[in-house]
Amino acid sequence: EIVMTQSPATLSVSPGERATLFCRASQSVSSNVAWYQQKPGQAPSLLIYGASTRASGLPVRFSGSGSGTEFTLTISSLQPEDFAVYYCQQGETFGQGTKLEVK
Amino acid sequence: QVHLEESGPEVVKPSQTLSLICNVSGASLSSGDYYWSWIRQRPGRGLEWIGFVYYTGNTYYNPSLESRVSISIDASKSQFSLRLNSMTAADTAIYYCARDIDSGDNTYFDTWGRGSLVTVSS
Repeated sequence: EIVMTQSPATLSVSPGERATLFCRASQSVSSNVAWYQQKPGQAPSLLIYGASTRASGLPVRFSGSGSGTEFTLTISSLQPEDFAVYYCQQGETFGQGTKLEVK
Repeated sequence: QVHLEESGPEVVKPSQTLSLICNVSGASLSSGDYYWSWIRQRPGRGLEWIGFVYYTGNTYYNPSLESRVSISIDASKSQFSLRLNSMTAADTAIYYCARDIDSGDNTYFDTWGRGSLVTVSS
């Protein structure tokens, strides 16, 4: 079973700044990683798939990168609506999430 | 626009069976392009995939839940269903249905229902 480990658990960043979230796979998964955003009281929403392909309508400030075992989600200039919990996913396995909070 | 919506009981008694339905609009469940999944989120915790069903009726389940779970599909009604038996307090969660895209190279959930909160309580 592949384990997805996200870091940090909580990330405090000021609006307008860059946020970088990390996800590590316990073994190589090529580029088969997706990222989701979940706001309180809402279902998760797809952001990125194939490690770097943006979902339809996603603002360009969101970008994904990586392959093999190391993956990154970057938000270039944080907007107020970006503060949420972010999950990476590979196959049937999700990471434990990173909470992005206002500094 | 694809829309998924869960329906079912809000409260289930311990040892009973949970039955949830996901109604799908804007997409055909007879298409082989997608799988149809159930995912849950226990209070204060992350996301746990439960299993999926294909349009053929083939299923695949999370090994940790496999002995208690059953997922079925009825394309004529545009719905798929989850049954989870022997419910305990540990099964209290928000249950989501989701469309699962598996292209071989990539697997991801592109559309989610709003979720159905199920509490196990006597």
